[in-house]
Amino acid sequence: GAGVSQSPSNKVTEKGKDVELRCDPISGHTALYWYRQRLGQGLEFLIYFQGNSAPDKSGLPSDRFSAERTGESVSTLTIQRTQQEDSAVYLCASSTALALTGELFFGEGSRLTVL
Amino acid sequence: GQQVMQIPQYQHVQEGEDFTTYCNSSTTLSNIQWYKQRPGGHPVFLIQLVKSGEVKKQKRLTFQFGEAKKNSSLHITATQTTDVGTYFCAVKLNSGYSTLTFGKGTMLLVSP
Repeated sequence: GAGVSQSPSNKVTEKGKDVELRCDPISGHTALYWYRQRLGQGLEFLIYFQGNSAPDKSGLPSDRFSAERTGESVSTLTIQRTQQEDSAVYLCASSTALALTGELFFGEGSRLTVL
Repeated sequence: GQQVMQIPQYQHVQEGEDFTTYCNSSTTLSNIQWYKQRPGGHPVFLIQLVKSGEVKKQKRLTFQFGEAKKNSSLHITATQTTDVGTYFCAVKLNSGYSTLTFGKGTMLLVSP
């Protein structure tokens, strides 16, 4: 596609429910990142996918968080048993670069509100 | 652990005044990127610096990479209301590791 596409743009859920967020990167981009941004805060790294390599999951805050990516296409971030502190904007970004980090292209984000 | 510090956290200027944000690391960086995030928007790439002492300009924006490749700055000359937003630096902290770590950002407010 023309840009990174994320869905849903907004999600309101009740505490304890599971949510799934989707990211469709720019076609041909091998690298895909998920970041979390709480209101008024910076970008917190969650997970990084690079081609068919094992993902870097070092930023996932708990085992309630997981992400998958099939090849170099769509990625889904799943949050199980959501908590109020999970409320944030979840940003996905993709990039073409391999060894040398290149420019990240961000999606518009998925705003999650946990009641 | 390794991290990148960005200062100031917030700055409010009058239109026409200059603005500078700084990004500092305790370790040598391979490169550094700068992004701008408008209120309610997503981060947008501005520039990447790679060489020691590198200086790059984009209209009223001047980006510098320190000689030791441990710090960087973004300077805006004669700010305009369109410059409002949060400016983030982003670095790759570990050699051969592509995860980008973002600074906490500097929020710039420009009053007309």
